[in-house]
Amino acid sequence: EAQVTQNPRYLITVTGKKLTVTCSQNMNHEYMSWYRQDPGLGLRQIYYSMNVEVTDKGDVPEGYKVSRKEKRNFPLILESPSPNQTSLYFCASSLSRSWEKLFFGSGTQLSVL
Amino acid sequence: DQQVKQNSPSLSVQEGRISILNCDYTNSMFDYFLWYKKYPAEGPTFLISISSIKDKNEDGRFTVFLNKSAKHLSLHIVPSQPGDSAVYFCAGSRDDKIIFGKGTRLHILP
Repeated sequence: EAQVTQNPRYLITVTGKKLTVTCSQNMNHEYMSWYRQDPGLGLRQIYYSMNVEVTDKGDVPEGYKVSRKEKRNFPLILESPSPNQTSLYFCASSLSRSWEKLFFGSGTQLSVL
Repeated sequence: DQQVKQNSPSLSVQEGRISILNCDYTNSMFDYFLWYKKYPAEGPTFLISISSIKDKNEDGRFTVFLNKSAKHLSLHIVPSQPGDSAVYFCAGSRDDKIIFGKGTRLHILP
């Protein structure tokens, strides 16, 4: 089954403790991206990647890092999480470009205390 | 600045009638516009897209209209069904970035 898998689904952590949210797709997609969803703000793009070793900033990249060492994986790294990063995070992938059909994961609800 | 605006936070429509969701944009450089639908506790799913060089695209019950002079697009759902109750996000894409609106919650009334 074609899918984008994010882990974990829920995560509670404390300020400053480094964490990684994993994202994996099994569709051989070139384009992958991360978003956060906040009440009243909709979905905002954090980072995106056109292909292996090619990443770029979206609208709200501050406080986040990503890496794309393999085509299928695109982890989101919070080196020093802060409470304002409490949010619902989504990973997505598409065949090659942002304007093509994006397949989203089920989301990761992160709470930073 | 908000490049993609969905000014109606919610909309209620009778089952069987037409649902019209609106979206305005300020960035004339968008190449494509897209609509996504989201149910609670799930990721968004793609609905329909339109190239900036077109003015209409249709897929089954869903039609998107683009008015470039007014910088406005709309999604029409005909006829509306109970399963259409969800949050709808409009988005604009330029190069490899994508900007989403804040979403409109659609309620389909029985």
